[in-house]
Amino acid sequence: EAGVAQSPRYKIIEKRQSVAFWCNPISGHATLYWYQQILGQGPKLLIQFQNNGVVDDSQLPKDRFSAERLKGVDSTLKIQPAKLEDSAVYLCASSWGGNQPQHFGDGTRLSIL
Amino acid sequence: QQPVQSPQAVILREGEDAVINCSSSKALYSVHWYRQKHGEAPVFLMILLKGGEQKGHDKISASFNEKKQQSSLYLTASQLSYSGTYFCGTVNNAGNNRKLIWGLGTSLAVNP
Repeated sequence: EAGVAQSPRYKIIEKRQSVAFWCNPISGHATLYWYQQILGQGPKLLIQFQNNGVVDDSQLPKDRFSAERLKGVDSTLKIQPAKLEDSAVYLCASSWGGNQPQHFGDGTRLSIL
Repeated sequence: QQPVQSPQAVILREGEDAVINCSSSKALYSVHWYRQKHGEAPVFLMILLKGGEQKGHDKISASFNEKKQQSSLYLTASQLSYSGTYFCGTVNNAGNNRKLIWGLGTSLAVNP
């Protein structure tokens, strides 16, 4: 089966600019996750979707980050405006359900200048 | 409620064994284990759903002690390919919103 697809792989922007990431989960997976991983740290859950509804967005900085999952399939994560501390790898993962193995995409490495 | 992993880091020679522990302050419903190699995304290793359950494949196995609220990952006869950061994730409830809470990771280096 095809894995989780993410794009772009790399992105370099200046602070205060906006950026968007795209994720296509494994077909049939109802649960989709966006994580932020800063170098040397573990993944930090930003938002979890169950189909097209939000299950958990408690750690999403809602003043600058937004995410949506259209029709319960693809998802986009946006940052506007970006700050220097947003430099990280943004990982998308999907699973059959909330307590099932998570399958990760290759991630997007974001650098803020 | 973040699980605590120990040790933080371990260095092995090829062929040696290692144990990584994951402890929770809350009752556990399930424990997940992932490995992340440098520059790559985390990869699922195994999930333990019942107290006392042990799972494994190849020479990597894990146990789940529900009473002690902890899980251990066992790596036997380590290979160079085992190097990476190992994360445990815990689920503390059996409700509909089963949130996986990640530990801080254990860095494992296997040298020739």
